[in-house]
Parts: sequence; C-alpha cells; structure tokens
Amino acid sequence: NAGVTQTPKFQVLKTGQSMTLQCAQDMNHNSMYWYRQDPGMGLRLIYYSASEGTTDKGEVPNGYNVSRLNKREFSLRLESAAPSQTSVYFCASMKENTGELFFGEGSRLTVL
Amino acid sequence: KQEVTQIPAALSVPEGENLVLNCSFTDSAIYNLQWFRQDPGKGLTSLLLIQSSQREQTSGRLNASLDKSSGRSTLYIAASQPGDSATYLCAALRVGSEKLVFGKGTKLTVNP
Repeated sequence: NAGVTQTPKFQVLKTGQSMTLQCAQDMNHNSMYWYRQDPGMGLRLIYYSASEGTTDKGEVPNGYNVSRLNKREFSLRLESAAPSQTSVYFCASMKENTGELFFGEGSRLTVL
Repeated sequence: KQEVTQIPAALSVPEGENLVLNCSFTDSAIYNLQWFRQDPGKGLTSLLLIQSSQREQTSGRLNASLDKSSGRSTLYIAASQPGDSATYLCAALRVGSEKLVFGKGTKLTVNP
C-alpha cells in the first residue's frame, strides 16, 4: 500500500551542486507529475509525463530536467542548484479513469 | 486559461462549528474537481473527488458540492474538531487536459 514514494525526504545542497529526486508509484498510473510548493506561490507544475517515454514542461521548468525511466519511476534532476530552487518538491501520479491525483510525502530541498 | 481561487486564505473557528470553504474556477469545462488536505510539513491527501456529472460527494463529516454553471465548489465540514486544522486545497482538471490547476488553499484553524 505504498502509493507514491519520494526520496530523499530532506536534502541540503550548495549552489552549483547537482542532485536527483526520485519518485516511484505502484498504482500502475500512466501520468506522473513534479510540483514545487513555495509560501505564497502555491503548487506550481515543473514537469509532467503522460506516459512512459514522454515528458512535457509545466509552468516552471527552467533549471530542471526529468526522466521517465519506466512506468513506475519519474525522476527530477537539478543540474546546477540555485538558492531560488529551495523549496518543497512533490511527486504525484494520476488515476486515468477518474483523474484523481495522488501525492508523495514531499522532498524538502535547501540550496545554500 | 483556468484559474482557481480560494477565499479566504485563512479561517479560524471554534470547535463544533459547521463551516464552508469556497473554491471558484473560471472555466466551466472541467472534468473533475478535487479537494485535498495538507498538514504542516506533509504531503497532500485527497479528500473528495467530484466528477463533472456529479453535484456532490460525501465522506463522513465532509461534503463537497460542485456547480459548474456558477464556477463554484464548496467543502462543508460539519461539527469541526481541532484535528480538522490544516490547509485545504481545491484543484480543477479541465476536459482534455492532463494538468490540474490548484488554488492556493485555505488555512483552517479549529480552536478547542
């Protein structure tokens, strides 16, 4: 009964470092998403993937890359982290027939 | 472009009160409307999902309604409890879209 699992839960980076946030879902959903959540800004879509092998930009894709490794996994990479990328990142997947969205617990990233 | 608004941004009520949280959207061509709960430092938990063909959904003390013609959804919480304190977000999925549009949420505090 895992649902959507994200790792790591917490990470501190220095400016210019790179890292990858991992996300996996066990609900056999085709669509997966990466959001960031910042105070006063709400949830903003970074990238999404409608199916294995496809990815599309959301509202705020600059500074990020994604990989849809297979149907279960969707990773988010920061190639050169900046303080503006300090945020809480959420992965989600969508159940096709209802459009219901399921979220992971979030990954808190701090860039110094 | 779909816009989702939640007013007020914060609400404080005494325990036991019945309350209504509001969500408005600009594009009535929605596939569904979803309500989420977010506790501090946690991910989003799906509370209720209303499909476009439905007028309301109920789960325990929660009732969500949908009026596409007026562009409004409401979340009714009966007999509120301190454990209901959280931020409540609504999100609309437009017909033909794969991306939910989120409101910024209403932060609810229920005082003992």
